[in-house]
Amino acid sequence: DTEVTQTPKHLVMGMTNKKSLKCEQHMGHRAMYWYKQKAKKPPELMFVYSYEKLSINESVPSRFSPECPNSSLLNLHLHALQPEDSALYLCASSQDFLPLYEQYFGPGTRLTVT
Amino acid sequence: LAKTTQPISMDSYEGQEVNITCSHNNIATNDYITWYQQFPSQGPRFIIQGYKTKVTNEVASLFIPADRKSSTLSLPRVSLSDTAVYYCLVGGADNAGNMLTFGGGTRLMVKP
Repeated sequence: DTEVTQTPKHLVMGMTNKKSLKCEQHMGHRAMYWYKQKAKKPPELMFVYSYEKLSINESVPSRFSPECPNSSLLNLHLHALQPEDSALYLCASSQDFLPLYEQYFGPGTRLTVT
Repeated sequence: LAKTTQPISMDSYEGQEVNITCSHNNIATNDYITWYQQFPSQGPRFIIQGYKTKVTNEVASLFIPADRKSSTLSLPRVSLSDTAVYYCLVGGADNAGNMLTFGGGTRLMVKP
């Protein structure tokens, strides 16, 4: 199984809502990532978890809250988002963080904030 | 950090070979060169990775000259389904930072 799954595929939420994005992998990978991608732009790194511990937070606003309950799961909790947060949110995993050779990406969650 | 430079866009026709070059003048000794492909509204997909000389798999070839300051992704006989954005990343062995930073990529349009 070389797949990273993400749910939901699409999410529309208001600025006062609380929602969560979910990511799962069963490849035994020890590193997991959240990226944000705006239209016609490259993916931008948000968070890195290595061995279930947060290793990198790219100065992401606190309205985005990551969580890694176990080595297979990664969540992104959303609260009080702004319309400019509308984007494709990508989850990825890799065998390890260092060395880092190949990341496996999920299909993404298309988020619209109204 | 090794910065990469790629053409913003390229056009090709079905059946042609496409070569996309990436410049990485500041590549470090232990850095690998990795290419990803991304279709609209999907996550990037790993295509190929190399350290030096030539690497070939069922999808593409990667040519890396001796000085490693550039690399060329070669897609043989492209089809319409190869229309995508292609990203070159450099790093990996002991510098994860570059492998997490996607540059602008090259938008390849394959025409019939």
